[in-house]
Amino acid sequence: DIVMTQSPDSLAVSLGERATINCKSSQSVLYSSNNKNYLAWYQQKPGQPPKLLIYWASTRESGVPDRFSGSGSGTDFTLTISSLQAEDVAVYFCQQYYGAPPYTFGQGTKLEIK
Amino acid sequence: QVQLVESGGGVVQPGRSLRLSCAASGFTFSSYAMYWVRQAPGKGLEWVAVMSFDGSIKYYADSVKGRFTISRDNSKNTLYLQMNSLRAEDTAVYYCAKTPTRSGSYCDYWGQGTLVTVSS
Repeated sequence: DIVMTQSPDSLAVSLGERATINCKSSQSVLYSSNNKNYLAWYQQKPGQPPKLLIYWASTRESGVPDRFSGSGSGTDFTLTISSLQAEDVAVYFCQQYYGAPPYTFGQGTKLEIK
Repeated sequence: QVQLVESGGGVVQPGRSLRLSCAASGFTFSSYAMYWVRQAPGKGLEWVAVMSFDGSIKYYADSVKGRFTISRDNSKNTLYLQMNSLRAEDTAVYYCAKTPTRSGSYCDYWGQGTLVTVSS
């Protein structure tokens, strides 16, 4: 199974500042035949289900603010929030969906306001 | 709009069974693979099972293989999770989620979840 490891486990950032969350997979999730990275990012606010932010590592879901961006390839990925807003306080998860299941998640990164 | 509504959760004793349902609306249910994902209290997300659009392909996490069964009734727009031989470690909020493909990928919509508590 592919193991997903996020860093850091928690992060405190000032309003308006940049937040960066990393996700590393134990094996590549880049499918060479289509050059796509099978990696998604989700946001989960307290008491709510997860919400899809990014898929194919860098494609923003419709309606997601453009301050959210995803980057990376192969085994190393990053979710960046360019200018942190109060409503971005949440736990963020990465997930790989490469090949056959299990489609494993990272352990989550808790983002707070400094 | 897409709606996924889970039901069937509750408190159950270890070793007993429970069946969860997920009623889908707002999209062509029979065209998309569906997931179950769970989240133990205060913990992260754990992928549980996925079923293809037509029910022909299903996969399970090792932690539930042989105890849980995913199924769907496309005529009723409903996804199910039959959970047998429940253990304390199965205690979690169970989410139903839709994928944008026929066979499984990321999840583009999630239900609100239903809480399953396994306790004597």
